This record gives sequence, C-alpha cells and structure tokens, in this order.
Amino acid sequence: SAVISQKPSRDICQRGTSLTIQCQVDSQVTMMFWYRQQPGQSLTLIATANQGSEATYESGFVIDKFPISRPNLTFSTLTVSNMSPEDSSIYLCSVIPRAHMNTEAFFGQGTRLTVV
Amino acid sequence: AQSVTQLDSQVPVFEEAPVELRCNYSSSVSVYLFWYVQYPNQGLQLLLKYLSGSTLVKGINGFEAEFNKSQTSFHLRKPSVHISDTAEYFCAVSHPVQGAQKLVFGQGTRLTINP
Repeated sequence: SAVISQKPSRDICQRGTSLTIQCQVDSQVTMMFWYRQQPGQSLTLIATANQGSEATYESGFVIDKFPISRPNLTFSTLTVSNMSPEDSSIYLCSVIPRAHMNTEAFFGQGTRLTVV
Repeated sequence: AQSVTQLDSQVPVFEEAPVELRCNYSSSVSVYLFWYVQYPNQGLQLLLKYLSGSTLVKGINGFEAEFNKSQTSFHLRKPSVHISDTAEYFCAVSHPVQGAQKLVFGQGTRLTINP
C-alpha cells in the first residue's frame, strides 16, 4: 500500500489568488495523478504528474490553470491559479505503487478548497 | 469511451438490513471495475476490484460485488450493514491497458444507515 499526505487539508481563498497543494507519498511510486471532485459530483482526472517532465493533462484542463510539478518519485504539487468560485472543489492526489502492477490506485485525504 | 452510471444517488437503509448499490458501465471492450468508499472528510479507500476470473468479488468490510458482463453491471452488496458503513460509494471503470491510471468514476451513491 501507500500512505499519502496532502497539504493543506482545507483552505478558503480569495478569488484571483493561487493555491499550491502538496502530495507526499511514503514510498516510491510509478505514477501520480490529480483528481478534482466538485461539490456533489464525482471525481474527474485532471492530469498525470510525470517525474521530471511536463504533466499530461486531460481534456478540459490546461497547464496555465493547473500547473503541476513532480520533482521526484514521492512528491508532487498542484497549483490552482487565478481562482474563481467555480474552482471550489476537493482536490485529490492519487498514486499507483509499483507493487500493485497498475491495478490499484490509492488516494490521499484530499484538499477541500473554497474560493470566495 | 467508457462511462459509469450509479443508478441511485442516495440509499437509506436500516441497520443490519441488506443493501445493494447499483452500478452499470458502458464499454465496448473488456474492463477493470472498482468500488471505492469515501467516509466523511476522508479520501477514497478501495473496497474491491474486478480484473478477471471469478465474477463474484469479495472485498473488505463484508462487501462483495458481482460482475455481470451481459448486463454490464457491477453491483455492490452487503448482507447486513452497520452504522459505520455510512459513506459515499463510488463505482469506477478503466481499460485493462491503462489499468488504474485512468479511472472513470460514477456519480456516487450516498449510503445512510439508520438505527
């Protein structure tokens, strides 16, 4: 398994500002991802965080709005830029450990973001 | 493209009663199927997964699910629920080639257990 620590757990931010969310894993993992869970809705994949290179974004998500870094195999950050109330969501980090052969994803506890 | 439909947004059940949470998926190819649980103010925890083989899958906390290819369903069941089972449950599908990399989630079912 993998123990995932996300920071902050929640935040209230002013519109127009940016927030960086951190994801730390207790072991080296092959893949890291960022998901968004909008209020009352399901989870949507934002992007795959690639170590040492640019993240791979899903349709509808762009790097300028959600820049992602992954400097090593255990750490990634997601920044929500120029925030608006529509960005109010739970943002979750997800990882796939090597031992799970791409068959199981683990999730952090999420960052609950409210934009006012 | 794959999609998942969870037919019930909310399911209220009395304690110790059985429960079934329904999940249907749409895919033209073989799939991996997952059920995750999200307790209040927590992340997602895997309950069980179907990759191949036996269509009846047993998971943690007494849950099980049955893969039905002809009906494209993967319903989650528990014979007797407890107050602690109150949570949001998500069904998810992925393509075996991509595995757990690109999970497509359903809308979620909120299970409420009443004493």
